Amino acid sequence: KAGVTQTPRYLIKTRGQQVTLSCSPISGHRSVSWYQQTPGQGLQFLFEYFSETQRNKGNFPGRFSGRQFSNSRSEMNVSTLELGDSALYLCASSLGQADSPLHFGNGTRLTVT
Amino acid sequence: GESVGLHLPTLSVQEGDNSIINCAYSNSASDYFIWYKQESGKGPQFIIDIRSNMDKRQGQRVTVLLNKTVKHLSLQIAATQPGDSAVYFCAEMEYGNKLVFGAGTILRVKS
Repeated sequence: KAGVTQTPRYLIKTRGQQVTLSCSPISGHRSVSWYQQTPGQGLQFLFEYFSETQRNKGNFPGRFSGRQFSNSRSEMNVSTLELGDSALYLCASSLGQADSPLHFGNGTRLTVT
Repeated sequence: GESVGLHLPTLSVQEGDNSIINCAYSNSASDYFIWYKQESGKGPQFIIDIRSNMDKRQGQRVTVLLNKTVKHLSLQIAATQPGDSAVYFCAEMEYGNKLVFGAGTILRVKS
């Protein structure tokens, strides 16, 4: 079974721009979650989607948004980029039940200059 | 809160020895826990999970122990190998399929 696939692997953007990251979950997984990983804050939850609906959201500003498509693929968007948005963005998929493990992709490394 | 930078604890072990990585979790209502391994340049890789109705669970070369009284998890790795060198995270699942991660522990295996 193919794992979680994230594209692109690396991105360099300028302050004020926007960016869209893509995630393809494991086949059969209907839940997709996004996390931000930085050296300072560690792994932080952004949001979770299940069957195209956002079920949960972390404490990030509205510049961070996401969506999920009918095939469970997901995208996240960050608008008006700030230097502090530089991070590794990780996508995880699961069956979406309370005791289903999340499986992570290898992330998109975003650098904002 | 203000970011002050994470200083991850480091565990150095000799190849072939057993490793024990500890983790304290915060939410006494959490009932599902996962250990992940993250190697450089990769995302967290699932190692083993445990539900709160269990005290212990074993996998291949790994054992997770859960002490709900003191909100403590540990990951034991038997016969540690150089390929086990990585950062290890514990995570507790909260409402809405949200994982809350610990800061992580660096495991270094000396050959």
